[in-house]
Amino acid sequence: AQSVTQLGSHVSVSEGALVLLRCNYSSSVPPYLFWYVQYPNQGLQLLLKYTSAATLVKGINDFEAEFKKSETSFHLTKPSAHMSDAAEYFCAVSDLANFGNEKLTFGTGTRLTIIP
Amino acid sequence: KAGVTQTPRYLIKTRGQQVTLSCSPISGHRSVSWYQQTPGQGLQFLFEYFSETQRNKGNFPGRFSGRQFSNSRSEMNVSTLELGDSALYLCASRTEPGQAYNEQFFGPGTRLTVL
Repeated sequence: AQSVTQLGSHVSVSEGALVLLRCNYSSSVPPYLFWYVQYPNQGLQLLLKYTSAATLVKGINDFEAEFKKSETSFHLTKPSAHMSDAAEYFCAVSDLANFGNEKLTFGTGTRLTIIP
Repeated sequence: KAGVTQTPRYLIKTRGQQVTLSCSPISGHRSVSWYQQTPGQGLQFLFEYFSETQRNKGNFPGRFSGRQFSNSRSEMNVSTLELGDSALYLCASRTEPGQAYNEQFFGPGTRLTVL
């Protein structure tokens, strides 16, 4: 069964500092991986996705993530944090282990706080 | 192109009542999924509909049901509401299922409070 673990339910960084949000996955077959962001009282917005092409994936708002098979990781980074990045971030996995059941399985989320 | 819309945005019900939530997918999207989001359990998959047929189902009791119409709009129903059903219910649409890399587009959610 597929699963995702997000280390750190809360992360605080100073404005302008590096953002690093951690995600490790478990999947019996090559996975597809996603990072979503959720702002207060809103739905989820896709930041980026890995679909077995390039291992370094670039997304919106200068976010990027690197797929590392040996570490089963898909950590999200951003070189310089902005106040507008304060939100909750979810890592999700989907795979074809069970054809017809390609649902998204989400991690528990990481709340990112930006310190002025 | 308009995004996924969900109505109503907020809902207050009492225990034992039933509720119906509505979701209109992005034009051209034929697959609609529903998720429940709570502080304790996080985001959990409820079910997915495609071509008016339930295609996948998560681990929720039979009180949770849904349907899809010929125009791809979907409704979910929760009967005999319990306090634990209080949650944000998110709807997501995509062009079609069967491809795990298909991006799902999420609506703003319906926040259900059960008193």
